Amino acid sequence: NAGVTQTPKFQVLKTGQSMTLQCAQDMNHNSMYWYRQDPGMGLRLIYYSASEGTTDKGEVPNGYNVSRLNKREFSLRLESAAPSQTSVYFCASSVLAGSGSDTQYFGPGTRLTVL
Amino acid sequence: GENVEQHPSTLSVQEGDSAVIKCTYSDSASNYFPWYKQELGKRPQLIIDIRSNVGEKKDQRIAVTLNKTAKHFSLHITETQPEDSAVYFCAASRRGGADGLTFGKGTHLIIQP
Repeated sequence: NAGVTQTPKFQVLKTGQSMTLQCAQDMNHNSMYWYRQDPGMGLRLIYYSASEGTTDKGEVPNGYNVSRLNKREFSLRLESAAPSQTSVYFCASSVLAGSGSDTQYFGPGTRLTVL
Repeated sequence: GENVEQHPSTLSVQEGDSAVIKCTYSDSASNYFPWYKQELGKRPQLIIDIRSNVGEKKDQRIAVTLNKTAKHFSLHITETQPEDSAVYFCAASRRGGADGLTFGKGTHLIIQP
């Protein structure tokens, strides 16, 4: 069981470039989340998918799009990267949010730098 | 939306002493309160959580207390050890986390030998 995996681990982009961060889980979880972590800011929710086929905005969705490709995979896309999007991005998953099995398990993170 | 405040931002304690980290939340509808530990360069990992129908929960050296009336909850670590050094985050959520977690800004816990 790999748990939650993310690719790539590191990425450097130039302003205006696009990229997709990939996330996959093998725990048969229904709910998946994307967070960003900036120094001194804690983690902030970008988007989430409570179940396959649904996505919703979190606290800081501007500049991002997501796709819940199937039950296992949830990707985050930056269409036109900006220096303000330099951050560490974490994907997380849970069995079914609100079910009583709410623990969110985090992936190892992607460290993104936008120049 | 929900707002979570966490104090202190840095906490230094002697090995063997206790550490207490406090959080307040703004949304009275929040019902799920997890605590995460994050070591440098690693992912956050859940150490304990509590739901709004419970006032206290313990797991060995770690305990969490919740005061719904005052909208605050606290993490207590007893008999601290060097491996407890890390950044700790509290979080809150409505609907048991269904719409994601709102995190505090973190507490850097330093265990002095």
